[in-house]
Parts: sequence; structure tokens; C-alpha cells
Amino acid sequence: NAGVTQTPKFQVLKTGQSMTLQCAQDMNHEYMSWYRQDPGMGLRLIHYSVGAGITDQGEVPNGYNVSRSTTEDFPLRLLSAAPSQTSVYFCASSYRGQGASGSDYGYTFGSGTRLTVV
Amino acid sequence: AQTVTQSQPEMSVQEAETVTLSCTYDTSESNYYLFWYKQPPSRQMILVIRQEAYKQQNATENRFSVNFQKAAKSFSLKISDSQLGDTAMYFCAFMKMGDMRFGAGTRLTVKP
Repeated sequence: NAGVTQTPKFQVLKTGQSMTLQCAQDMNHEYMSWYRQDPGMGLRLIHYSVGAGITDQGEVPNGYNVSRSTTEDFPLRLLSAAPSQTSVYFCASSYRGQGASGSDYGYTFGSGTRLTVV
Repeated sequence: AQTVTQSQPEMSVQEAETVTLSCTYDTSESNYYLFWYKQPPSRQMILVIRQEAYKQQNATENRFSVNFQKAAKSFSLKISDSQLGDTAMYFCAFMKMGDMRFGAGTRLTVKP
């Protein structure tokens, strides 16, 4: 199993450019989320989804869009990049319930995307 | 929205000793999950231990255990027999229906 796959791993954007961070999971997880982590800080929730076709805002949703057309994929779109969006972005997925083993609840994280906006 | 507070920005412990990391949270929910995650310098987020709020028994995973006090909204992590590989950032997290919120983290250094 690949787990949670994020692409790209690194990206440099110019202010005003748009881009999509890709996230895919192969564990048939119902929940998926996007977080950003700024230096010396914890993870802040951007958007999350409890299933295909359902998304909701987190703590810091402004400037980001998401959609969940399939269970596997949860892309994050930056519409017009700003220097304040320079950060490390993590995608994560989780079972809705206990999972096959009865103790799988909780987010599994991708390895992150380091985004720099200049 | 739920808030998670970790009041210890940094801690250190000698190898083989025991250390406890603190976490408090604020919620009006009765059913939820709590987690501790570890983030080593590699930046990968690693789930250390989980606790279901409706279970009174404290969770344990090898050298890691929690002290869950639901009424006090407290969820501390105890690491026994600390190892150099335990050096990392540790994050406490609260989860309800896919919405997971994190504390600011505690940087733990294990000294030889």
C-alpha cells in the first residue's frame, strides 16, 4: 500500500499564480483533510471531507478551495498565491469508524509539500 | 470549535528516564477521540497513541501511555525508558467526525 501520496514535494510559486496540490490515498478512508504547518507551529486545519461530495472548512480556509469527487482524491487549490501561504502542507486520511482491525481510527499523514510563494 | 493547549513548549529528559507531556482541551462534546502524534526532524507525522473518550481505561502502547481525565479535559502522555529516537516534536490532537485540531506542540529532547 502506498498510503497517502502528496505531489509535488516541493514547489515555488510567484505571487498571484494558481496551483493544485494533489493528494491520493489507497486505503479506502472516508475522511480526508488538509493542514498547513508554519515554522515552529502546530498543524492548522484548512479543509476537510467526511466523504465523496462533502467538504467543510477548517480553521484557515481563506485562499484555498477543495473538492472531493472520489473517495481516493482530495486536491487543494490555491487560487491566487500569496507570500502568506508559504508553508508546509500536509494531507491526511482516516477511517470514519474503527476500521478493519478495530483500532485504525486516526489520521494517516502524507509526507508533506513544501510551498514557497515569492 | 475545539481548542487544544500544550503548555510546555520545550522539555528535556535523560535517556532511560520517564517524562510526561501535558495537554488540555476544551469541548462541549461527549464523544470524541484524542491522539498524540510525533514529528521527528524528518517532518513525518507519526501517530503514537489514541484514546477514545467513552473508554475510561487509559491507552498504552509499549513505552507510551496516557493519563486521560475526561472531567478535567486533560490528556497527558507519559514516555517511559526514554530513548534517543524519542527526540521530536509531540502534538496533542482532538478529533470529532473528521475534524482534527492540534495543539502547538512540545519539543522533546532526549539527552544521552
